[in-house]
Amino acid sequence: AQTVTQSQPEMSVQEAETVTLSCTYDTSESDYYLFWYKQPPSRQMILVIRQEAYKQQNATENRFSVNFQKAAKSFSLKISDSQLGDAAMYFCAYETNSGYALNFGKGTSLLVTP
Amino acid sequence: NAGVMQNPRHLVRRRGQEARLRCSPMKGHSHVYWYRQLPEEGLKFMVYLQKENIIDESGMPKERFSAEFPKEGPSILRIQQVVRGDSAAYFCASSPGNRETQYFGPGTRLLVL
Repeated sequence: AQTVTQSQPEMSVQEAETVTLSCTYDTSESDYYLFWYKQPPSRQMILVIRQEAYKQQNATENRFSVNFQKAAKSFSLKISDSQLGDAAMYFCAYETNSGYALNFGKGTSLLVTP
Repeated sequence: NAGVMQNPRHLVRRRGQEARLRCSPMKGHSHVYWYRQLPEEGLKFMVYLQKENIIDESGMPKERFSAEFPKEGPSILRIQQVVRGDSAAYFCASSPGNRETQYFGPGTRLLVL
């Protein structure tokens, strides 16, 4: 089974600064999908960004970008110009090419301070 | 375009009662997934359904839990004879097809007293 590890239970960043959340995963597959989801205090799961493993280019969505290192099996999320509304739990997730179930990490709690 | 809808948002049951959780996928989505989130944990996959078919229920407990996605109406996750360990947030997600991005509903918080 594929495992997803988020080694930072909590992170803190000041408003307008940049923060990077780390994620590593374990797989023997070559084609798969990776995701970052955000869970604010409302507990709603919100898709932040998606990366296809066969694509070399790192995905970006406005202030959110990823650093995808396939050989190292690393998929970190960078949040630029952090805003108070970015405060949430962030979950990294893996989906196999032959499957559909998302495997989630345990999450990183991001605190944004004024 | 309404997102994935789940109801109820909060559900309280006493041990031994039944819990029914409903999920209406996004318009045009025929694939539904159920996940469970225990406190301080990430989401764990339970079951994947397409209309009228269970495709994969490998994450479902063998007893007391069942899921359906009828031709008409929402998907239902049913938990019989609930126990305190069933207390969790249950999330439904939907997608238009296999391998498409899953969009999540707001979840149902189940509390078993």
